[in-house]
Amino acid sequence: TQLLEQSPQFLSIQEGENLTVYCNSSSVFSSLQWYRQEPGEGPVLLVTVVTGGEVKKLKRLTFQFGDARKDSSLHITAAQPGDTGLYLCAGAPTGGTSYGKLTFGQGTILTVHP
Amino acid sequence: SAVISQKPSRDICQRGTSLTIQCQVDSQVTMMFWYRQQPGQSLTLIATANQGSEATYESGFVIDKFPISRPNLTFSTLTVSNLSPEDSSIYLCSVDVGGGYNYGYTFGSGTRLTVV
Repeated sequence: TQLLEQSPQFLSIQEGENLTVYCNSSSVFSSLQWYRQEPGEGPVLLVTVVTGGEVKKLKRLTFQFGDARKDSSLHITAAQPGDTGLYLCAGAPTGGTSYGKLTFGQGTILTVHP
Repeated sequence: SAVISQKPSRDICQRGTSLTIQCQVDSQVTMMFWYRQQPGQSLTLIATANQGSEATYESGFVIDKFPISRPNLTFSTLTVSNLSPEDSSIYLCSVDVGGGYNYGYTFGSGTRLTVV
């Protein structure tokens, strides 16, 4: 069974601060996906990283995939209240028979105060 | 990517009854996935639904408790049977966004179930 440890579980910060969320595992993943979820909605895909060492930027969000494809991080620069939500990382297993069987981290509840 | 319409958005059910959740996708998809999420927490995969074959269930989930139908390539239902308070959760369906193997998924807006 693959596990994905996500930390921190809660983050409460002021507008303008920076933050980083981590996802770590002892397993190798074929891809690592980051989702953001707001109350009453389903998770929305932010980014997928596929290649070890890959870095992707989405405006103020920077996503990294570890060289060994076992860990990932999400860094938000100058957080805004609109960034508030539940952030989830999800690892896709290697192997063709494992299609769709994502392993989700525990989630990070981010609150950005004005 | 696909758009999913999921309903009901929420329901309150009595113990021992059942709730059927529907997901309609605006395009044809091979596989649909059903998840359970405790409020504010992570997602756990319940089963994978293929059109024309029985669903594949993950460890800890059984067909008698969570029967799934997949009558065509755009629609699926999940029934949560013989409800108990422990079944109170958010249930979500999802499909592949396209772009390749395990590239990412689109989720329905979820069904918040409360069992009383």
